[in-house]
Amino acid sequence: KNEVEQSPQNLTAQEGEFITINCSYSVGISALHWLQQHPGGGIVSLFMLSSGKKKHGRLIATINIQEKHSSLHITASHPRDSAVYICAVRKYSGGGADGLTFGKGTHLIIQP
Amino acid sequence: GAGVSQSPRYKVAKRGQDVALRCDPISGHVSLFWYQQALGQGPEFLTYFQNEAQLDKSGLPSDRFFAERPEGSVSTLKIQRTQQEDSAVYLCASSLAIASRRNEQFFGPGTRLTVL
Repeated sequence: KNEVEQSPQNLTAQEGEFITINCSYSVGISALHWLQQHPGGGIVSLFMLSSGKKKHGRLIATINIQEKHSSLHITASHPRDSAVYICAVRKYSGGGADGLTFGKGTHLIIQP
Repeated sequence: GAGVSQSPRYKVAKRGQDVALRCDPISGHVSLFWYQQALGQGPEFLTYFQNEAQLDKSGLPSDRFFAERPEGSVSTLKIQRTQQEDSAVYLCASSLAIASRRNEQFFGPGTRLTVL
């Protein structure tokens, strides 16, 4: 079983819809990242969370440490939001600086 | 430039050929990470540098993979005797500090390697 699971794997919605992407993890973490990847490979960091909730524009990210679960929400979705959204965690290993462990991503398509 | 840059952006290699992929991190960033992303998958950790020291290479898939960062800035990922299963996007990321594990990582555009 993967340490980071995302759902759904694919999501197609109409412009204006409220979007939710979920991430569950099974390890102790020090931080969780939400990343956006457009075709061509470039990755942009959207949020880094260790507790609570963050908001940036139409994007909202929440995390529940006890339940080991995070959600990414997009309000008033737009075709330019179409991308792959990736959840990644930094595991709490107690020493060193480990790389991120990634989910497989959610492929989002927003249709006009 | 202000961001992480990688070169080349695309590389086609014949099976058995050696390749070298370059990463220029953000100036002053201490930490540098290499990741491998197979088609349709999330990235997977390969190796990590703190300045010039390679502190973690647990993700390197075989001894054909070698990474270096001799002066603590630019890093090179070398793959010897490439195989078809090495075809992937290789991502480089850097972050500013080492003390806190809550540092944001900044990603480069990646190098797409295709092995024929």
